[in-house]
Amino acid sequence: DIQMTQSPSSLSASVGDRVTITCRASQGISDYLAWYQQQPGKVPKLLIYAASTLQSGVPSRFSGSGSGTDFTLTISSLQPEDVATYYCQKYDSVPRTFGQGTKVEI
Amino acid sequence: QVQLVQSGAEVKKPGASVRVSCKASGYTFTSYGISWVRQAPGQGLEWMGWISPYNANTDYVQKFLGRVTMTTDTSTSTAYMELRSLRSDDTAVYYCARDASNLAAGTGGYWGQGTLVSVSS
Repeated sequence: DIQMTQSPSSLSASVGDRVTITCRASQGISDYLAWYQQQPGKVPKLLIYAASTLQSGVPSRFSGSGSGTDFTLTISSLQPEDVATYYCQKYDSVPRTFGQGTKVEI
Repeated sequence: QVQLVQSGAEVKKPGASVRVSCKASGYTFTSYGISWVRQAPGQGLEWMGWISPYNANTDYVQKFLGRVTMTTDTSTSTAYMELRSLRSDDTAVYYCARDASNLAAGTGGYWGQGTLVSVSS
């Protein structure tokens, strides 16, 4: 099975900072990559799919890039409401595995 | 608007079975697949499997093969996930999630509110 590895596992940044989270697949997955945000105590929310397509209603400060094995999620200007754990997910084939998560704090 | 409403919390003993339901509304139920994802306390997300309400095709993670069954009832727009031979490490919040798009099978564009399943003797 293809493994999904996120880095870092956690980070602390200041309001207004640019934040980048990386997700690496153990084999190529083209652009079949989604990113989710899970705020504390809340249901996960889809931010991006197809590696770079912003889900409707998601603020434009979120962006995704990458293809093949290396992907990034960028928050251009961190806001207090962005405190959350972020997960990547591959969906090219079964199993549609999640990364282990990156906890973002302020 | 798309809504997925799950059944309530369950408490089960080891060895028992649990069935969680997920009632969909606000879209054509047969047009999008449903994934089941679980999250153990304090842990990350674990994708369990997927079902197409259109043709009942399923994909299961190998670790759950033989213990999980995912079904749908198109007459009520409801998806079900049954997990058998429960163990304490099956204690988790179980989510249903609808595909984000027809080209993104297995993703979670819309999520249910989650169902806590507790397994304890």
